[in-house]
Amino acid sequence: GQNIDQPTEMTATEGAIVQINCTYQTSGFNGLFWYQQHAGEAPTFLSYNVLDGLEEKGRFSSFLSRSKGYSYLLLKELQMKDSASYLCAVSGGYNKLIFGAGTRLAVHP
Amino acid sequence: DGGITQSPKYLFRKEGQNVTLSCEQNLNHDAMYWYRQDPGQGLRLIYYSQIVNDFQKGDIAEGYSVSREKKESFPLTVTSAQKNPTAFYLCASNVGREVGNTGELFFGEGSRLTVL
Repeated sequence: GQNIDQPTEMTATEGAIVQINCTYQTSGFNGLFWYQQHAGEAPTFLSYNVLDGLEEKGRFSSFLSRSKGYSYLLLKELQMKDSASYLCAVSGGYNKLIFGAGTRLAVHP
Repeated sequence: DGGITQSPKYLFRKEGQNVTLSCEQNLNHDAMYWYRQDPGQGLRLIYYSQIVNDFQKGDIAEGYSVSREKKESFPLTVTSAQKNPTAFYLCASNVGREVGNTGELFFGEGSRLTVL
């Protein structure tokens, strides 16, 4: 079967660092995506990993370990506007993305 | 500007009525997708199309229908057979079966359907 797991909710303080984990079991693997989604809006692309290791992009970084079926999204210097849902998605076979349920992050002062 | 346009943004429907959600893209993408999102759940794939005049069922196609007569357009019809149609519907596209395609999806703004 295909399964993507991530925590349902997380809270963090403004200015802090938070790590959102994602584990996956899929029949195919062509890469892993992280999307940010504010309530009632469309998801927006944050990062893409296809090889093992860390990809850094400003305040956001994403890590992938294909052998462990594991990824994390690291958010530094948290801001209030980072309060959103973060979706982990795996690109499997047939040019399809399979999404996890998302992690709702609440940033408080 | 290139992008994906969904309409309407909000839609109310009575039980037993069919409704069609529009999705148009001017990104020249071959592949288009419809996802459904329910509160506290991830995106679930309804239908997808890799090329004009061809489409495949996703994980939750029952009660839905689509057409792909033009590259730019991929409308979704929510039929009366769909038992629980109230949800947020997202249309997306990507370049399709091109070499180097990572699978990244570009999303429309979504359509929120409420059945009364």
